[in-house]
Amino acid sequence: ETGVTQSPTHLIKTRGQQVTLRCSSQSGHNTVSWYQQALGQGPQFIFQYYREEENGRGNFPPRFSGLQFPNYSSELNVNALELDDSALYLCASSLGGGRSKETQYFGPGTRLLVL
Amino acid sequence: AQRVTQPEKLLSVFKGAPVELKCNYSYSGSPELFWYVQYSRQRLQLLLRHISRESIKGFTADLNKGETSFHLKKPFAQEEDSAMYYCALSEHSGYALNFGKGTSLLVTP
Repeated sequence: ETGVTQSPTHLIKTRGQQVTLRCSSQSGHNTVSWYQQALGQGPQFIFQYYREEENGRGNFPPRFSGLQFPNYSSELNVNALELDDSALYLCASSLGGGRSKETQYFGPGTRLLVL
Repeated sequence: AQRVTQPEKLLSVFKGAPVELKCNYSYSGSPELFWYVQYSRQRLQLLLRHISRESIKGFTADLNKGETSFHLKKPFAQEEDSAMYYCALSEHSGYALNFGKGTSLLVTP
C-alpha cells in the first residue's frame, strides 16, 4: 500500500504566474482534500474532491481551483499568484467523502515560494 | 464559526514529567476533535480522535463539552514525544479539518 505522494516538493514562482500542484491519493482512497499551511500557522482547508467533484470549499478565492481524475489523483491550480500564496500545500486522502468517519492521511506537502 | 485555539506556541518539559497541551474550541454543533502530530522531517499524522477514546503512545485526550476543551495529556513525557502538535475540529472525520496554530513540544533529558 503506497501512501499519499505530492509533486513537486519545492517550487519558486513570481507574482502573477500560475502554478499546478499534484497529489496521488493513497491506494483505495477516493477523496482528496487540499490545505494551505502558511509559516507558523496550522493548515487551512482549501477544498475537497470526492469522486471527481468538488465536495466543499474553504474561504479561498476562485483563483484557487482543482481537479480530481478517474484514478482519484488530484491537482490544485492557483492563478495570478500573490506573495501571500507562499506556503506549504498539503493534500490529504481518505475514503468515502466528507460525511465518512475515515481518517485523512496527509502527503509530505509542496512548498511554494512566490517572489 | 468554527475556531480552534492552542494558547501555547512552545511547551518545554523534562523527560518523565507530565505534559498537557491545551486546546479550546468554539463550534455550535457536535464536533469531532482530533490531535495531529508532526515529528521532525515527517508528514502530519493522526495521533488520536475523541470518538475513538483510545490511548496512543501514552497520550489521552478527553472532550469536555462544558469547557469546550480537548486537552492532550501524557503522564510521563519521553524525548521522542518532541514534535509539533495540532488540535483540529471537524463536522465529520472525512471533511474539512479546522486546525489550531499548533504547539511545539520539546522534551529535554
